[in-house]
Amino acid sequence: KQEVTQIPAALSVPEGENLVLNCSFTDSAIYNLQWFRQDPGKGLTSLLLIQSSQREQTSGRLNASLDKSSGRSTLYIAASQPGDSATYLCAVKDAGNNRKLIWGLGTSLAVNP
Amino acid sequence: DAGVIQSPRHEVTEMGQEVTLRCKPISGHNSLFWYRQTMMRGLELLIYFNNNVPIDDSGMPEDRFSAKMPNASFSTLKIQPSEPRDSAVYFCASSLQGFPDTQYFGPGTRLTVL
Repeated sequence: KQEVTQIPAALSVPEGENLVLNCSFTDSAIYNLQWFRQDPGKGLTSLLLIQSSQREQTSGRLNASLDKSSGRSTLYIAASQPGDSATYLCAVKDAGNNRKLIWGLGTSLAVNP
Repeated sequence: DAGVIQSPRHEVTEMGQEVTLRCKPISGHNSLFWYRQTMMRGLELLIYFNNNVPIDDSGMPEDRFSAKMPNASFSTLKIQPSEPRDSAVYFCASSLQGFPDTQYFGPGTRLTVL
């Protein structure tokens, strides 16, 4: 059974720092992996989607990498800003199950001015 | 497009009462998902519709929960009778073609059952 873990659960950094959020999954047979952002009181916004055949995706200051063999993905945020403060969730879609995303519990990020 | 619309945004009710949550997906999307989010369990998929037909309801906790999608632009999630352990944020999401596509989430309904 696929399980997704995100460490740390919470992170606080000063503005301007480069930071890395981690996501690990137990079964490497995945279809894709997505990173989402959730702001308080709001829904989730998809940030990056990495297909199983890809190793990374970039969007602006965000870079997500995928290492299927080790069951890990990282979300790199460059030059963090207070507006980046949110909860970041990763979700895995299993290769064998086209119907469900398996979610991590998220990392709550605070970027302090 | 206004995005996925959910109502109400907040609901406080007493144990035993019926609760109905509503969702309007993005126009043109043919897949709709209902999720529940709690601190302890994170996001859980409750049910998934494709072309208004329920495809997978294995995540629905028990018979007290039911969901309908009478047309492509409207879905409801009903809890009857509600219990305190149902307190959570309920999200609706839609996508163009099911799970392979990115899901777009609504703002959620925060449900509190006293």
